[in-house]
Amino acid sequence: SQQGEEDPQALSIQEGENATMNCSYKTSINNLQWYRQNSGRGLVHLILIRSNEREKHSGRLRVTLDTSKKSSSLLITASRAADTASYFCATDLIYNQGGKLIFGQGTELSVKP
Amino acid sequence: EPEVTQTPSHQVTQMGQEVILRCVPISNHLYFYWYRQILGQKVEFLVSFYNNEISEKSEIFDDQFSVERPDGSNFTLKIRSTKLEDSAMYFCASRTPRAEQYFGPGTRLTVT
Repeated sequence: SQQGEEDPQALSIQEGENATMNCSYKTSINNLQWYRQNSGRGLVHLILIRSNEREKHSGRLRVTLDTSKKSSSLLITASRAADTASYFCATDLIYNQGGKLIFGQGTELSVKP
Repeated sequence: EPEVTQTPSHQVTQMGQEVILRCVPISNHLYFYWYRQILGQKVEFLVSFYNNEISEKSEIFDDQFSVERPDGSNFTLKIRSTKLEDSAMYFCASRTPRAEQYFGPGTRLTVT
């Protein structure tokens, strides 16, 4: 299996609800980063969480990291239609000198007004 | 707020032609990267660049690919002889001292 797998692959919710996306990985990491991508557009950096951190917040975003389970979750609270996008986790592996990121397949989030 | 820029936004080329994709990373960043995303697939690492040399490259980054930082601000990816399977979105990224990677808007390369 692959480094950085998100689930679910697709998530459809109503505006105002919370959205939770999960990411699992296989190899120990320096950090894990979450990105948003609107269809056909660039990758927007959302948040970085380091291997020694357990939780980080940024506005309506909350990211957790459980290194014992090799998993992370991204929670978007009070979702808006504008949150509709694909969300990716990307891992920076612990033995990686150059900092390359390994991306998962992403979760497609649809927020209905 | 500084951002990574890329030109062109869309490049159409014929198979066998050379293309150069350009990027201007954020000025005080030291690590630069190219990634690509084939339509409907995940983002894939191509190459990382530090201190004017390649620090790591993927299996995709074969002899047809090269990178350069010709003038201290631009960072280019050259594909010498494009193939149909090179059609993808190419993203440049640069890394902050805190290890966050910021991506440019991408260049959509279409090889016909």
